[in-house]
Amino acid sequence: GAVVSQHPSRVICKSGTSVKIECRSLDFQATTMFWYRQFPKQSLMLMATSNEGSKATYEQGVEKDKFLINHASLTLSTLTVTSAHPEDSSFYICSAKQGATEAFFGQGTRLTVV
Amino acid sequence: GQNIDQPTEMTATEGAIVQINCTYQTSGFNGLFWYQQHAGEAPTFLSYNVLDGLEEKGRFSSFLSRSKGYSYLLLKELQMKDSASYLCAVMDSNYQLIWGAGTKLIIKP
Repeated sequence: GAVVSQHPSRVICKSGTSVKIECRSLDFQATTMFWYRQFPKQSLMLMATSNEGSKATYEQGVEKDKFLINHASLTLSTLTVTSAHPEDSSFYICSAKQGATEAFFGQGTRLTVV
Repeated sequence: GQNIDQPTEMTATEGAIVQINCTYQTSGFNGLFWYQQHAGEAPTFLSYNVLDGLEEKGRFSSFLSRSKGYSYLLLKELQMKDSASYLCAVMDSNYQLIWGAGTKLIIKP
């Protein structure tokens, strides 16, 4: 199957700093990438959808100035959590798809803000 | 309606093999996840299947049959630390996760 690589898998940062998470499609061109967040004991929550070369579409309630998404190429999307706070600690996961094919998921990033 | 079924509880012996089954009926399918959750902690991602077949990762393997709406998680060489709940979740056509209730796995020496 197609491979989506997400990096880093775990990150700990200090409150007030910014953290960047990368999502790469290794063997296909991802025209669309999705970013999710998971709170403990809850379902994944879709944060935003990004299409290569255009601005991301954010779901209601997601602060676009806090969660910066860049999808500058067909193989890379990044999520930057700016001015992180402890409540931003969560599991973030990306998925990528090419056209109308299935979406393939990265293995997720566990962010801890201290 | 959407439904995920998995056994409530299973017991196995240290060093043995156990298979946890999951059947699903959902509106669309965009992949199936298995998570491990120790008591009081957040779920930890184990595997993701979107195509039919077996995916192996060390002692853990996950199998998917989309035509049968069926998956299993296979744990080999069981260790005491594998005692946990194992959650099956399916992503539907809206990219929302539908969760099973979880299977509590008890490992005995």
